[in-house]
Amino acid sequence: ETGVTQSPTHLIKTRGQQVTLRCSSQSGHNTVSWYQQALGQGPQFIFQYYREEENGRGNFPPRFSGLQFPNYSSELNVNALELDDSALYLCASSLGLAGGRTDTQYFGPGTRLTVL
Amino acid sequence: AQSVTQLGSHVSVSEGALVLLRCNYSSSVPPYLFWYVQYPNQGLQLLLKYTTGATLVKGINGFEAEFKKSETSFHLTKPSAHMSDAAEYFCAVYNAGNMLTFGGGTRLMVKP
Repeated sequence: ETGVTQSPTHLIKTRGQQVTLRCSSQSGHNTVSWYQQALGQGPQFIFQYYREEENGRGNFPPRFSGLQFPNYSSELNVNALELDDSALYLCASSLGLAGGRTDTQYFGPGTRLTVL
Repeated sequence: AQSVTQLGSHVSVSEGALVLLRCNYSSSVPPYLFWYVQYPNQGLQLLLKYTTGATLVKGINGFEAEFKKSETSFHLTKPSAHMSDAAEYFCAVYNAGNMLTFGGGTRLMVKP
């Protein structure tokens, strides 16, 4: 069974640029969540996708957007990058059972984004 | 919205000593609580979770946590620390909108 994978591992961008991060879900999982983890802090929820539809969103501006594809892989897009966007971006997949509250979220290793 | 607070950003124990990592929650509804561990340069791994039922939850790697409603706590314990337990530990609570809300984390250091 393949776990959650993310690409790229590291990325360096400059302020104002756009970036796309990718995530492949664990086999059989139809739900993907994205989190931002700034250095020294806990992860913060960006949004979740369930069967290709946004299914919840945290307190992030619209320049953070996402997609989920029919194979349940996902992308996180960030436009107009700011210095504060420098962080580890984590993707987590889950089974998407009814209600979702007891779902275990399985995390990938993350993408380290540095904005200069 | 539900939230969690982790007391102590750094905890240091000797190998073989008891590990106690503290987490308190704030919730207006029965909470669903989680503990995750993060090793350097890796993602988060679930240690254990509390949903309903038994208040003492056993997890992987010898960790366990007890849900105490009266104290609004969900502390993580392990009877005997091992060097390999050195990592960052996060407590989290499920929130409406399908999100996990994490605490600030506790870095566990294990001294030989």
